[in-house]
Amino acid sequence: DQQVKQNSPSLSVQEGRISILNCDYTNSMFDYFLWYKKYPAEGPTFLISISSIKDKNEDGRFTVFLNKSAKHLSLHIVPSQPGDSAVYFCAASATGANNLFFGTGTRLTVIP
Amino acid sequence: GAVVSQHPSRVICKSGTSVKIECRSLDFQATTMFWYRQFPKQSLMLMATSNEGSKATYEQGVEKDKFLINHASLTLSTLTVTSAHPEDSSFYICSALGEPRRQETQYFGPGTRLLVL
Repeated sequence: DQQVKQNSPSLSVQEGRISILNCDYTNSMFDYFLWYKKYPAEGPTFLISISSIKDKNEDGRFTVFLNKSAKHLSLHIVPSQPGDSAVYFCAASATGANNLFFGTGTRLTVIP
Repeated sequence: GAVVSQHPSRVICKSGTSVKIECRSLDFQATTMFWYRQFPKQSLMLMATSNEGSKATYEQGVEKDKFLINHASLTLSTLTVTSAHPEDSSFYICSALGEPRRQETQYFGPGTRLLVL
């Protein structure tokens, strides 16, 4: 049972424009959410996170938005750069649990 | 940033053989490491949590006798797939928990692709 879903397997965006990656979850116990970036032949690396007590967290060009009522989060990258081309995973966890539940990933391609 | 390595990166073996995958934290000590598996077009799924000096905790549906985990030191955890079968072919990825112990400090290895013929 997929508790975290990324319904778009791929996304192409022009350099300089905004990239919006979406993620939905089903488990209402999840209260912490993370985005990871993965380059080929490397492991996922942590990008940005958000707690359920917030609805927005910003770090430079990256902003994560959380809509708890819709069980939806999104990652905005603006402006997008060619180096942002990678696979992006969202993940969720519940307080006190080690488990990270991952989505299937979205491959972002930023076109120069 | 913290570095986690895995070895081998790719392995092909015959059905019935055992395969050992190593996960090392190169520049930090990790009392806790995690093993994940990813099948094609599916998400990373946690298989087990490995704690140094104690038995691993397996997720529901993961056979502990088939996937042997040893975390004998603060920088090394191993996953042995015993009597591997074609359905065990997958991408196995480990992570190590650094300090402070938060989800953000879970550092991932590059993964091992296992193909069982």
